[in-house]
Amino acid sequence: NAGVMQNPRHLVRRRGQEARLRCSPMKGHSHVYWYRQLPEEGLKFMVYLQKENIIDESGMPKERFSAEFPKEGPSILRIQQVVRGDSAAYFCASSRLAGGTAYEQYFGPGTRLTVT
Amino acid sequence: AQTVTQSQPEMSVQEAETVTLSCTYDTSESDYYLFWYKQPPSRQMILVIRQEAYKQQNATENRFSVNFQKAAKSFSLKISDSQLGDAAMYFCAYRTRQGGSEKLVFGKGTKLTVNP
Repeated sequence: NAGVMQNPRHLVRRRGQEARLRCSPMKGHSHVYWYRQLPEEGLKFMVYLQKENIIDESGMPKERFSAEFPKEGPSILRIQQVVRGDSAAYFCASSRLAGGTAYEQYFGPGTRLTVT
Repeated sequence: AQTVTQSQPEMSVQEAETVTLSCTYDTSESDYYLFWYKQPPSRQMILVIRQEAYKQQNATENRFSVNFQKAAKSFSLKISDSQLGDAAMYFCAYRTRQGGSEKLVFGKGTKLTVNP
């Protein structure tokens, strides 16, 4: 039973390039969350998606960042025109269908993005 | 907005001893969940323990237990019989359900060192 998969594990981009981070949720999970962890900080919520729907994007920067979770395939976090301040670890988590029960969020290993 | 505060950036404990990590939170909600996550050097986020706010009984998972004081909005983690493998960053997290989202709000973490 594979856990949450993220790839790549490490990604290096030059300023101005695009970064695409992928997340495959656990089998049977239909909810995906993206978090960002800056050095020496806790994780900060970015976006919450269900299949083909963005439920909450209150933590996403207004510009350059976008996320999707298509009907088929992994969830994608896309950062356009990266800047040095985007360097961080990006974690994806998934959970089962929520419905009044504390279904835990299971985390992937993260993608460490370095912008040079 | 909900906030989570971990006032101890670093803690240390002798192997086989007991250590308590502190966490306080602020919320106006009555129904919520609290979690402790462990992040070892591998950076993988591992769920340690969870507590439902409506339950008066403190959660316990083997050597890990919590002291949940709802009125004081306090949620501390006690690790008994500390082992070298317990060395990690520990994050306290609050799960809000405000606005239909299921996002986690994290504290900044406590770095735990276990001395042999």
